[in-house]
Amino acid sequence: GAVVSQHPSRVICKSGTSVKIECRSLDFQATTMFWYRQFPKQSLMLMATSNEGSKATYEQGVEKDKFLINHASLTLSTLTVTSAHPEDSSFYICSARDRIHTGELFFGEGSRLTVL
Amino acid sequence: QKEVEQNSGPLSVPEGAIASLNCTYSDRGSQSFFWYRQYSGKSPELIMSIYSNGDKEDGRFTAQLNKASQYVSLLIRDSQPSDSATYLCAVNNREYGNKLVFGAGTILRVKS
Repeated sequence: GAVVSQHPSRVICKSGTSVKIECRSLDFQATTMFWYRQFPKQSLMLMATSNEGSKATYEQGVEKDKFLINHASLTLSTLTVTSAHPEDSSFYICSARDRIHTGELFFGEGSRLTVL
Repeated sequence: QKEVEQNSGPLSVPEGAIASLNCTYSDRGSQSFFWYRQYSGKSPELIMSIYSNGDKEDGRFTAQLNKASQYVSLLIRDSQPSDSATYLCAVNNREYGNKLVFGAGTILRVKS
């Protein structure tokens, strides 16, 4: 299957700081990437859809000014958690859809954020 | 938002048995169906995709789709302890921007 790489895998930061997470599709071009958040023992919650060259589409209840998404190229999308607080601590996972295999979604390894 | 429902489990099966995981969805317009496996602390891994009614087999895994009943299942033959994980059912509908809607997942435990 297609490979999606996410970095960093773990990050610990102080409250009030910003954290950037990168998501790269390594062997295919992804016009669309998705960002999910997962709290312990809960399912994936879609935060936003990132479209190459245009603004991201955020799900209801997700603050776009807090979770900044940039999709500058067909292989890279970034999520920046601004002014992070302890309640933002979670497992953030990006995913990308292979343009050839329409519908199949491949996930990055995930980034575990801990805000102290 | 259309829904995907799964029994949360845990579903416990002995090693070597067949594990049967079920999923129902509410949107009749759904076109693509996926099963993901997620180990604790890891991101989901695609196991199977199915797009048309019937069965699709891949190794020990068989996905079954019945669009009339809005039902999709995953069978795991010869279950192994390493199959113990959470299995997520996901459904895609182009009317909703091609987003995948995930079920809450079923915890599978294979006992040796």
